[in-house]
Amino acid sequence: NAGVTQTPKFRILKIGQSMTLQCTQDMNHNYMYWYRQDPGMGLKLIYYSVGAGITDKGEVPNGYNVSRSTTEDFPLRLELAAPSQTSVYFCASIHAAGGQIKQFFGPGTRLTVL
Amino acid sequence: KNQVEQSPQSLIILEGKNCTLQCNYTVSPFSNLRWYKQDTGRGPVSLTIMTFSENTKSNGRYTATLDADTKQSSLHITASQLSDSASYICVVSAQPGSARQLTFGSGTQLTVLP
Repeated sequence: NAGVTQTPKFRILKIGQSMTLQCTQDMNHNYMYWYRQDPGMGLKLIYYSVGAGITDKGEVPNGYNVSRSTTEDFPLRLELAAPSQTSVYFCASIHAAGGQIKQFFGPGTRLTVL
Repeated sequence: KNQVEQSPQSLIILEGKNCTLQCNYTVSPFSNLRWYKQDTGRGPVSLTIMTFSENTKSNGRYTATLDADTKQSSLHITASQLSDSASYICVVSAQPGSARQLTFGSGTQLTVLP
């Protein structure tokens, strides 16, 4: 399995531009998540999904949108980029079965908004 | 408000030495606690996960302890190696399988010097 993959690895945006961060997992996990990690801070949950067609807001959803049309893909959309969205974005998925929970993280996307 | 506090914020040790990282939490109701290792520029990787009934769990040179009464956890690293240099993140879950209830600590940055 490739695990959780994210693209791009790096991106620089101008204020007001839009972009989509891609996330794909090939482990058939139902639960997928988007986090942002600011320097010296813990990960903050942006959006999550418990299955295809189902998404919900996390702790810091403003300025972002998501969709989950398939089990494998969970893209994160920024419509009007702002400097406050400069951060490292991590996608993750969870395998939960038989009382065992394992969370897998992607390598991250480093986004700078100027 | 659910919170996870880690100490120290940063730590520098010599190769071969042992060290202990601390995690205090106020998350309630408690479900499980995880320790992650995050290398620079990479996503977090799970080291250990402990439920309420577990006091200690080992993964190679990493040993995590949990005191659910005092709401404290520690991660002990034995015979440190240069590759242990990373950020170590404590994550506490309030509900099993619910990402919305995950609370992340800001991490301890460990540097192992030769």
